[in-house]
Amino acid sequence: DIVMTQSPDSLAVSLGERATINCKSSQSVLSSSNNKNYLAWYQQRPGQPPELLIYWASTRESGVPDRFGGSGSGTDFSLTISSLQAEDVAVYYCQQYHTSPYTFGQGTKLEIK
Amino acid sequence: EVQLVESGGGLVQPGGSLRLSCAASGFSFSMYWMHWVRQVPGKGLVWVAHINHYGSTTTYADSVKGRFTIARDNAKNTLYLQMSSLRAEDTAVYYCVREWYTFDYWGQGTLVTVSS
Repeated sequence: DIVMTQSPDSLAVSLGERATINCKSSQSVLSSSNNKNYLAWYQQRPGQPPELLIYWASTRESGVPDRFGGSGSGTDFSLTISSLQAEDVAVYYCQQYHTSPYTFGQGTKLEIK
Repeated sequence: EVQLVESGGGLVQPGGSLRLSCAASGFSFSMYWMHWVRQVPGKGLVWVAHINHYGSTTTYADSVKGRFTIARDNAKNTLYLQMSSLRAEDTAVYYCVREWYTFDYWGQGTLVTVSS
């Protein structure tokens, strides 16, 4: 199985400041057939199911604010929130969908400083 | 509007069985692969099982293989997870998830508690 490792496990950022979460896969999730990275990011607010934020490593899902951005390729990826808002308090997960089973990172808890 | 509504969770004794259902609406259910993902409260997300459009192909996490069965009824727009030989470590919220390349819609989840 592909192991997904996120860092840090938790993060406290002031409102309006930038937050960056990293995700590393144990194998490349870049497809040679279409040059796409099979990497997604999810947000899970307290008491809610996860919601898809980013897919193909950098494509925002419809309705996701543009302060959320994804980057990276191969085995190293990042999720950046450019200006933290109060409603962004959540746990964030990366996931690879390159190879079954589609594995998740352990999650990063984002809080307000 | 896409909706996935799970039901069937509850308290069950170790060694018991339970069947979860997921009623899908707002999209062409038969066109999508579907998954079950679980989450121990306060912990991370773990994929459990998946089924293809027609129900002809299924895969399982090693931790549930031989004990859980995923199935679907496209005529009823419903996904199922039959769980047997339940263990305490199966205690979790179980989410029904639609796959469109990745997991684009999640249900609210149903809590399964395995305890005597």
